[in-house]
Amino acid sequence: KQEVTQIPAALSVPEGENLVLNCSFTDSAIYNLQWFRQDPGKGLTSLLLIQSSQREQTSGRLNASLDKSSGRSTLYIAASQPGDSATYLCAVSSYGNKLVFGAGTILRVKS
Amino acid sequence: DVKVTQSSRYLVKRTGEKVFLECVQDMDHENMFWYRQDPGLGLRLIYFSYDVKMKEKGDIPEGYSVSREKKERFSLILESASTNQTSMYLCASSFRSGNTIYFGEGSWLTVV
Repeated sequence: KQEVTQIPAALSVPEGENLVLNCSFTDSAIYNLQWFRQDPGKGLTSLLLIQSSQREQTSGRLNASLDKSSGRSTLYIAASQPGDSATYLCAVSSYGNKLVFGAGTILRVKS
Repeated sequence: DVKVTQSSRYLVKRTGEKVFLECVQDMDHENMFWYRQDPGLGLRLIYFSYDVKMKEKGDIPEGYSVSREKKERFSLILESASTNQTSMYLCASSFRSGNTIYFGEGSWLTVV
C-alpha cells in the first residue's frame, strides 16, 4: 500500500529565504506526483504536476523535482514571501488517477 | 480556468438525516472524486467516478454513496448521517487519468 511522508511537518522562515519541502513515497510505481497548496479552510490548489517520466517542473518561483527510483520529490520555493504561507501537500497517483496524499508541511513566512 | 463548484460551504445536519453534497465541474472532465479531510488523518478518498453512471469505491466508502447521472455533476450522499461523519468534504475533477486534479472549495459538514 502506497504511503506518502512529508518532512518537515512545519517550517517557519524569514521572508526572502529559499526553502525546500520534502516528500517521499514507498511504491515507485506511480503515474505522476502533484504538489498542492491549501490555505486555511479552503480547498486545494494545484501547483505543479510531474509525470513519472519527468525529472522536474517549474512554475515561477516554484521548482519541483522527482526521483522515482528513490521515491522522493522536493518542492523548492525561491525568495519566499508572506503570501506563500500555507499548507503544502504532495500526492502521488497510481491506478485510476487515485491520489494518495501526504500529511502536509505547514509553512509560515515571516515578514 | 477550471472551476469545481461545491454548492454548500457549511451545513449542519442532525443524526439520521439524509445529506446530499453536490459538486459541479465546468470543463468536461471525465474523472470526479470525493475526499474527506480530517485533522491528523489527512485526505482520504471516499469514491471516484471515471464516467457517467460509473463509480468505484475509495478507501473509506462505508456510510456513503454517490451518484453521477450527468458528466458535470457528482453527488455524495450520506444515507443516515452520523456524528463521525462531521468533516470537511472536498470534491475534485480531472480531464483524464494522469492529468492535473482540480479541487473545489470544500464543504464543512457538522452532524449533531
